Amino acid sequence: GQNIDQPTEMTATEGAIVQINCTYQTSGFNGLFWYQQHAGEAPTFLSYNVLDGLEEKGRFSSFLSRSKGYSYLLLKELQMKDSASYLCAVPSPDKLIFGTGTRLQVFP
Amino acid sequence: GAVVSQHPSRVICKSGTSVKIECRSLDFQATTMFWYRQFPKKSLMLMATSNEGSKATYEQGVEKDKFLINHASLTLSTLTVTSAHPEDSSFYICSASPLAGAHSYEQYFGPGTRLTVT
Repeated sequence: GQNIDQPTEMTATEGAIVQINCTYQTSGFNGLFWYQQHAGEAPTFLSYNVLDGLEEKGRFSSFLSRSKGYSYLLLKELQMKDSASYLCAVPSPDKLIFGTGTRLQVFP
Repeated sequence: GAVVSQHPSRVICKSGTSVKIECRSLDFQATTMFWYRQFPKKSLMLMATSNEGSKATYEQGVEKDKFLINHASLTLSTLTVTSAHPEDSSFYICSASPLAGAHSYEQYFGPGTRLTVT
């Protein structure tokens, strides 16, 4: 079966850096997605990693280690608007299985 | 590109009535559409997967007679919540994929529909 774990909540200060971890156990691997979801809105795509390593996209970076079943999302220069839930998801294989989501609160 | 719309964005209905939610892919043909529900402060839970012209595949624990899904065309899927009860109040989100089968994880999400049953 599939199992995806994320911390439930995190807090950080504006301008800081925060790392949101995701560990997964799947039968087969077809990459890992990160989504951002503001309250009451649909998820928006942030990143898709299929190979090991770090992929940087502006203030957001995503890392994957397939051998460890581990990924993280790195948010730099935090802004108040980054307060949201961050969901990691893995294909399984023809649908997405979502983690519990990490609610990030950014304080001034 | 890859825009998905949902209608209505919010709906309030009385217990025992039925509510229909539409999901449309605006600029691509959606071979596969997915319906999720999300309770407050919880993650997305997949309810069902539908392919155009065929019956939806429901996840374990989802009543197919209560949550009717119709994927009548390559751009439209509907979810009808029949005989709604207050516990059906939730945020319903659809997503659409231009691909099928093992690659349908490439999904584009609609804005969601907030259903409140009184």
